[in-house]
Amino acid sequence: GAVVSQHPSRVICKSGTSVKIECRSLDFQATTMFWYRQFPKQSLMLMATSNEGSKATYEQGVEKDKFLINHASLTLSTLTVTSAHPEDSSFYICSARQGGFETQYFGPGTRLLVL
Amino acid sequence: KNEVEQSPQNLTAQEGEFITINCSYSVGISALHWLQQHPGGGIVSLFMLSSGKKKHGRLIATINIQEKHSSLHITASHPRDSAVYICAVYHSGGSNYKLTFGKGTLLTVNP
Repeated sequence: GAVVSQHPSRVICKSGTSVKIECRSLDFQATTMFWYRQFPKQSLMLMATSNEGSKATYEQGVEKDKFLINHASLTLSTLTVTSAHPEDSSFYICSARQGGFETQYFGPGTRLLVL
Repeated sequence: KNEVEQSPQNLTAQEGEFITINCSYSVGISALHWLQQHPGGGIVSLFMLSSGKKKHGRLIATINIQEKHSSLHITASHPRDSAVYICAVYHSGGSNYKLTFGKGTLLTVNP
């Protein structure tokens, strides 16, 4: 099946720094990518939806200036957590879709710890 | 009330037992995903279905659109099946087919 990769798999950073997470679709072109956040023992929450070449659509309550999303190509989307704070510590998962909803695949996730 | 409810929240079974995890939803949907999340966090899609029943190996998923209910069954369960199983639905209508997730069912299969 299709593969979606994320890098890094885990990152520890100091409060106030910025962290970039990459999401790549390895063997297909992703017209749409989704970024989710998951806190311990909770369900995935959609942060934003990005379509290649256009601005991301953020869910209510997600700060677009803090969570910068770039979907520059059909195989790459990046999420940058700017001025990270300890409350941003979470598990971030991307998902990529080639066309219709039948083809949505999930990345392995990135665990972010902000000290 | 959450739009997607799963039961049970936690399930412990002995190896070989037949497992059933339930998912009920309250919105109109286009399709439903069953996902598996292992302790490391990575998510694997097990099934996507919009009607009827699908089978893959020891896993069976069913959906009843009228009753807004889906079940995931695992036959001859094995310790390697231990994971969190998540039900997620695609809302009908709209152009981006966003997923809404249940809270997951933590399955532990003991040898």
